[in-house]
Parts: sequence; structure tokens; C-alpha cells
Amino acid sequence: GQQVMQIPQYQHVQEGEDFTTYCNSSTTLSNIQWYKQRPGGHPVFLIQLVKSGEVKKQKRLTFQFGEAKKNSSLHITATQTTDVGTYFCAGPGYNFNKFYFGSGTKLNVKP
Amino acid sequence: DGGITQSPKYLFRKEGQNVTLSCEQNLNHDAMYWYRQDPGQGLRLIYYSQIVNDFQKGDIAEGYSVSREKKESFPLTVTSAQKNPTAFYLCASSIGTGPAYEQYFGPGTRLTVT
Repeated sequence: GQQVMQIPQYQHVQEGEDFTTYCNSSTTLSNIQWYKQRPGGHPVFLIQLVKSGEVKKQKRLTFQFGEAKKNSSLHITATQTTDVGTYFCAGPGYNFNKFYFGSGTKLNVKP
Repeated sequence: DGGITQSPKYLFRKEGQNVTLSCEQNLNHDAMYWYRQDPGQGLRLIYYSQIVNDFQKGDIAEGYSVSREKKESFPLTVTSAQKNPTAFYLCASSIGTGPAYEQYFGPGTRLTVT
């Protein structure tokens, strides 16, 4: 099935530094979603991107969907310890009833 | 409070026993999903259901079974045929089926089989 590849697997930053995670697909995606999972918790929906080149912001988080709709990124400006967790992207598969989660990027923020 | 509940939070079983994980939602969502998460990995789809009395296999359905007799309930049975059942199991629901819909996750059940 369709897969979305996510990099990096881990990222350790000092509080205040920026962070970016990338999601890539070999085929065009109709849409992409981003989720955050805190340590020991469950994934929580952050945002959905649908349009080519779309950019959405949520406070210090900036989400981008590539022009070709094959990649997406999540950028956090000036990380805080509350940003700790694993960030997942999710995109649709060939069977439109399912979508596939990337392997996630685990972010650790040192105070 | 609307949401998804999963019980229990932690579950311990002996090898060779079947075990059923509970998932209930009061969001009036049509679609429900079961995922498995292994340490340091993403979510893999086990089964999903678009409507009552209907369900479809996901990518790793072998050794698992489900039922959807009521809209609000989607229990997962981990059978003794599942070779490596120890994992974190997450149930989710969405208003409709398909990638356009946000998924709401329950708190998960950590299953340990020894």
C-alpha cells in the first residue's frame, strides 16, 4: 500500500532552537494530516492540509504542503519543553478508506 | 464528555490465551479503527469499520478479530494465533471513512503477553 516516509526518526534540540520534520510520498496525496503523541499518550490531531502549496500556522507551528502534493513539513519555531513528543504525518492509501501513518519523528527538548 | 474510552489501560495475559480489548465512543461516529503501535514505531492498521455490522481488514489483521454490533462499540480480540501480541493498541473513530476525516484516538491499552 501507499506509504509516507518521515524523517528524521529522532531529533534532540536545546530549548529555543527550531525543529523541522519532513514527510515524503512517492505519489501525489489528496491531503495530509499531522498528529502529535505525547510520551505515554495517544495521537492527537493537529491539522489537515489539502491544497497544493498550502501553508498553515498554529502559533509556533508552521505546516506546509508541497506544490506537487508529494511532501509536507512541520516546523516549530523556538521549541519549548511542552513540544516534546512524537509527530506523525498521515496520508491516504490506494484504498481511499485507509490512510497510512509515517513512522514519526520523536522530538526531545532539553531545557 | 464526548470521547473514546478504552479499557483496561494495562493488560497482562499468558501466552495461548485470547484477550478482548474494549473500545467505546459516544461521538456518534460511523467509522472506527484499531491500530497497533510498537516501541519507536508508527501506527499500523489492524481492522476498520465503516458502519455497523461491517468491518474490513487492515494491513496486519492476522491473529486478530473484531465485531461491530453497535455503532458505539468496536471490540478487538487478540487471539492465540497472533505471534507477537505485546504492543500498545489504539482505537480511533472518525465521522466518516477516509483520509479526509480527522481521527479521534482513545487512550490506548498496553497489552503484555508472557
